[in-house]
Amino acid sequence: AQKVTQAQTEISVVEKEDVTLDCVYETRDTTYYLFWYKQPPSGELVFLIRRNSFDEQNEISGRYSWNFQKSTSSFNFTITASQVVDSAVYFCALSPLSSNTGKLIFGQGTTLQVKP
Amino acid sequence: DTEVTQTPKHLVMGMTNKKSLKCEQHMGHRAMYWYKQKAKKPPELMFVYSYEKLSINESVPSRFSPECPNSSLLNLHLHALQPEDSALYLCASSQVYGTGGGNQPQHFGDGTRLSIL
Repeated sequence: AQKVTQAQTEISVVEKEDVTLDCVYETRDTTYYLFWYKQPPSGELVFLIRRNSFDEQNEISGRYSWNFQKSTSSFNFTITASQVVDSAVYFCALSPLSSNTGKLIFGQGTTLQVKP
Repeated sequence: DTEVTQTPKHLVMGMTNKKSLKCEQHMGHRAMYWYKQKAKKPPELMFVYSYEKLSINESVPSRFSPECPNSSLLNLHLHALQPEDSALYLCASSQVYGTGGGNQPQHFGDGTRLSIL
């Protein structure tokens, strides 16, 4: 089965707290891509990161960091010192190579609310 | 600002109306997509165009008719829609389609919020 699970439906934090959004995936493929998208209330999905299955290096971009662990099939996303503007729905997505379509398999999303 | 532009941003139509959603990108991308998104759900793929040809139709009802006049434009023609078709319709583009391009990230527009009366 090809599947993405975002177990946290909603998370609420106070500004400046750190928060981690969990993403667990299932795939039979050895080659695949993982993505994170942010969807603010305006509706647009904003691309945040793409990671291929052979690159397990963690990545940091400003206050954002991603922890990819193939051993646990997880690709977690941490926001450090959260801000109100981080409030959005965050989607993790999987694109297996075997599907040969580039199709995105989305998780159900995690709604993050950052309170001032 | 998003590099994928969708118009209109909001649309209210009756079940007998005919309307069109428009999408435009100027990033030189050769793949374009239509998604439907219901509240509190992830986007669902509807159609994929690659080099202006329809590559995927995810068993979408014929009351939705896509069109790709050129590499920068994507339309979705709507006719005789049902109330359950009320949703956010998102357009996206990517450099190329599929694994040949290394599963390039898709870039999304703001969407059209469609309400069917």
